[in-house]
Amino acid sequence: AQKVTQAQTEISVVEKEDVTLDCVYETRDTTYYLFWYKQPPSGELVFLIRRNSFDEQNEISGRYSWNFQKSTSSFNFTITASQVVDSAVYFCALSEPTGANSKLTFGKGITLSVRP
Amino acid sequence: DSGVTQTPKHLITATGQRVTLRCSPRSGDLSVYWYQQSLDQGLQFLIQYYNGEERAKGNILERFSAQQFPDLHSELNLSSLELGDSALYFCASSVVPDLGGDNEQFFGPGTRLTVL
Repeated sequence: AQKVTQAQTEISVVEKEDVTLDCVYETRDTTYYLFWYKQPPSGELVFLIRRNSFDEQNEISGRYSWNFQKSTSSFNFTITASQVVDSAVYFCALSEPTGANSKLTFGKGITLSVRP
Repeated sequence: DSGVTQTPKHLITATGQRVTLRCSPRSGDLSVYWYQQSLDQGLQFLIQYYNGEERAKGNILERFSAQQFPDLHSELNLSSLELGDSALYFCASSVVPDLGGDNEQFFGPGTRLTVL
C-alpha cells in the first residue's frame, strides 16, 4: 500500500526566510510519480510539480526547488525568500499508475504561514 | 484555471437528504477522479471513471455513487447525508496515460458541501 507522510503540520516563517517542507513516501512499486500541490485560502488545488521515480535530478523553478532522494524515500520542497503569497496548505502526493488507474494518495498537508 | 469545472460551488443541505455534484473534465480528458477533503480524513480518493466505466474505487461509502456520461461529464451522488459528510469535494481529470506513463491530474475548484 502506498503512503505519504508530511510530519510537519504547521510552519510559520517571516517573509524572506527560506523554508523546507518535508515529504516521505512509501511504495512497493518501482514506477511511481510524486507531486506537490498548493491549496491557497481560496481552496483550489494548484499543481506545482510532478516527478517520476526514475528521475532523481533536483528541480528549481524560480524560488521553488525540489529535492528527490530515493535512498531516503523523500521528496522535499524548499521555498527560497518566502513571500506572504506563499501562505497556503501544501500537499505532497504519490501515484502508482497502472494503465488508466492512477489515483493520488495525499499526505495530510502542511500549513505554511508567511508573516510580513 | 485548470479547465475542470464543478457545480455547484457551495451546497447547504440537511441530514438525510440527497445531493448531486457535477464535474466537467478538461477537453480531451477521459479520466475523472473524485476526492473528498474533510478536516479529520484529509484528502481522500473516492472513485475514478475512465471513458464511462468505473476504473478504481477508494474509500467511498455505499451511500455515495458516481457515474460518467457519454459526454464525459461526471456526477457524484451523495445520499442519506450525515453531518460527517460535510467536506470539500474535488473532481480531477487527466488524459489516459500509457501503461507506466505519466499522469497529471487537473483539479476543479471543488464543491463545498455543508450538511446541517
